[in-house]
Amino acid sequence: EVQLEQSGAEVKKAGEFLKISCKGSGYIFSTYWIGWVRQIPGKGLESMGIIYPDDSDTRYSPSFQGQVTISVDKSISTAYLQWSSLKASDTAMYYCARLRGTYAGDPFNIWGQGTMVTVSS
Amino acid sequence: QSALTQPASVSGSPGQSITISCTGTSSDLGGNNYVSWYQQYPGKAPKLMIYDVSIRPSGVSNRFSGSKSGNTASLTISGLQAEDDGDYYCSSYTGSSTVFGTGTKVSVL
Repeated sequence: EVQLEQSGAEVKKAGEFLKISCKGSGYIFSTYWIGWVRQIPGKGLESMGIIYPDDSDTRYSPSFQGQVTISVDKSISTAYLQWSSLKASDTAMYYCARLRGTYAGDPFNIWGQGTMVTVSS
Repeated sequence: QSALTQPASVSGSPGQSITISCTGTSSDLGGNNYVSWYQQYPGKAPKLMIYDVSIRPSGVSNRFSGSKSGNTASLTISGLQAEDDGDYYCSSYTGSSTVFGTGTKVSVL
């Protein structure tokens, strides 16, 4: 079964570093784009960016460029989302999701369970 | 890039059909056929319901159908059922990133 398993909920303070993870299983991890989607409580979905594990080609959505870093370790089939200095406005649920195909415009068809990040000021 | 525009809410009675619109621009939705729709229940991850405008993934009910005309895409749910109650999001590819719609709350009366 194709699955994405995300790391657990985090409670941090503003200004702290954070890196959350997403481990893929049941498929060849390196050959599918994987991305991150933010959902602020009570709000809609926002695509943050995607990465191709085989060569680490990374595409950020304009709103998130420079705000976060997406990375991958294909040797352990894991993608990461990190912040160097958290803000209270980063409080949200973060989903990792795999694209359906090998094109960057393909839809997200496999989703992780989500990681809730809470940042206090 | 701006979010695609969806109505905040749509409602219908069991058995009826409803249609959710999703409006973008020629730079996103109107410029390609990479239009998708997702269903999300409270506290759950989204689920892909339609991709490439009108294709249903395996396992998705044929009560769900998609279409597009110009800069507007639509999701139609026919034979509305209680389990269709939830949030629905459209999305499109801009050529460099994916943009989601503002979301529509579907209520089954």
